[in-house]
Amino acid sequence: GDSVTQMEGPVTLSEEAFLTINCTYTATGYPSLFWYVQYPGEGLQLLLKATKADDKGSNKGFEATYRKETTSFHLEKGSVQVSDSAVYFCALSGYNQGGKLIFGQGTELSVKP
Amino acid sequence: KAGVTQTPRYLIKTRGQQVTLSCSPISGHRSVSWYQQTPGQGLQFLFEYFSETQRNKGNFPGRFSGRQFSNSRSEMNVSTLELGDSALYLCASSREGTETQYFGPGTRLLVL
Repeated sequence: GDSVTQMEGPVTLSEEAFLTINCTYTATGYPSLFWYVQYPGEGLQLLLKATKADDKGSNKGFEATYRKETTSFHLEKGSVQVSDSAVYFCALSGYNQGGKLIFGQGTELSVKP
Repeated sequence: KAGVTQTPRYLIKTRGQQVTLSCSPISGHRSVSWYQQTPGQGLQFLFEYFSETQRNKGNFPGRFSGRQFSNSRSEMNVSTLELGDSALYLCASSREGTETQYFGPGTRLLVL
């Protein structure tokens, strides 16, 4: 069935370090891909999305490119801040998934000053 | 524009009781989905409602049910609560014809 796999956390970085969180997927059809972020005690916030192959989603310095050939949607940021500490979820959704979001297991990021 | 709101934010119940959670979508959004988040199982889809009709359902027992009203507000109900129902319940809304879902802050349910 459809699934999303993320790199395991926690990921611990120093402030201003480069961030990559890997995400790969298995899906039928042509789903949209998403990154959501969850801060402690809160719900999910949409970080960025891409709706078709080779699209790049970007927001707040984060970027991810929809790579159909490698079925990947890796999240990157050039210089992380302490305020980026959160749990990041990769997800997919599309017609073949009945519109529901299928999530990865989440990757916890901790940024130290 | 106001975001998705959920009430209550926190609930404590005992086994065997039932609970009703409420969700108000973003204005203009007619689709509402519910998800359960637990440390062990992660984020799992419960069901989706559109125009007062359940359009999709996840793999949860019949104790979990929901409904949607004509103003798109939605409720979910869990009957005969079990310890394993302790979780963060998240509601999300989306505009018709789009796949992007916007989440509320969640209701944290603790079953004792």
